Amino acid sequence: AQKVTQAQTEISVVEKEDVTLDCVYETRDTTYYLFWYKQPPSGELVFLIRRNSFDEQNEISGRYSWNFQKSTSSFNFTITASQVVDSAVYFCALSELTGANSKLTFGKGITLSVRP
Amino acid sequence: DTGVSQNPRHKITKRGQNVTFRCDPISEHNRLYWYRQTLGQGPEFLTYFQNEAQLEKSRLLSDRFSAERPKGSFSTLEIQRTEQGDSAMYLCASSYSGVWEETQYFGPGTRLLVL
Repeated sequence: AQKVTQAQTEISVVEKEDVTLDCVYETRDTTYYLFWYKQPPSGELVFLIRRNSFDEQNEISGRYSWNFQKSTSSFNFTITASQVVDSAVYFCALSELTGANSKLTFGKGITLSVRP
Repeated sequence: DTGVSQNPRHKITKRGQNVTFRCDPISEHNRLYWYRQTLGQGPEFLTYFQNEAQLEKSRLLSDRFSAERPKGSFSTLEIQRTEQGDSAMYLCASSYSGVWEETQYFGPGTRLLVL
């Protein structure tokens, strides 16, 4: 069975600070996808990134970066120079590639508050 | 492309009533998923369709829940004889199942409150 653990529940930072959101996953599959989604107060889940299990390259997109380490089953997300608009709940999710169903297994989410 | 839409956005109902939610996926997406999210939790998978076929249902989906996707376009999720425990956000997502790429895009959700 798959499992995603986001041990941090709430993080509060001051604007312009860097912040890292942790994600640890469990799966028996050798091929899988990892995702991060952002859920602002409006409720809609916004896709941020997808990472394939066979691609361990880290990725940077503007102020966002992701560190994927298969050895520790972690897929951490860093926001550099945080802004108030980054305040949201962030979910890490996992889907397996075997079978036809690519359902997502989510962690419980991390509530990030960025104070001006 | 207008994204995934869901209606209604909010629904308040009394226990025992039936409710129906609608999801319109991104056009040309062949897969459609339903999830349920309760307060303080991540979304949990309920069911999914590939075109018009419902291919998997979670054990979370009791007999009171039914979902359809006629003609492989929009989908409806009906809850019969609602209970207070059904109060949650119901999220719909759609995707295109390519060879190596599949990303689910979510709608704004329908927030259900059962009194």
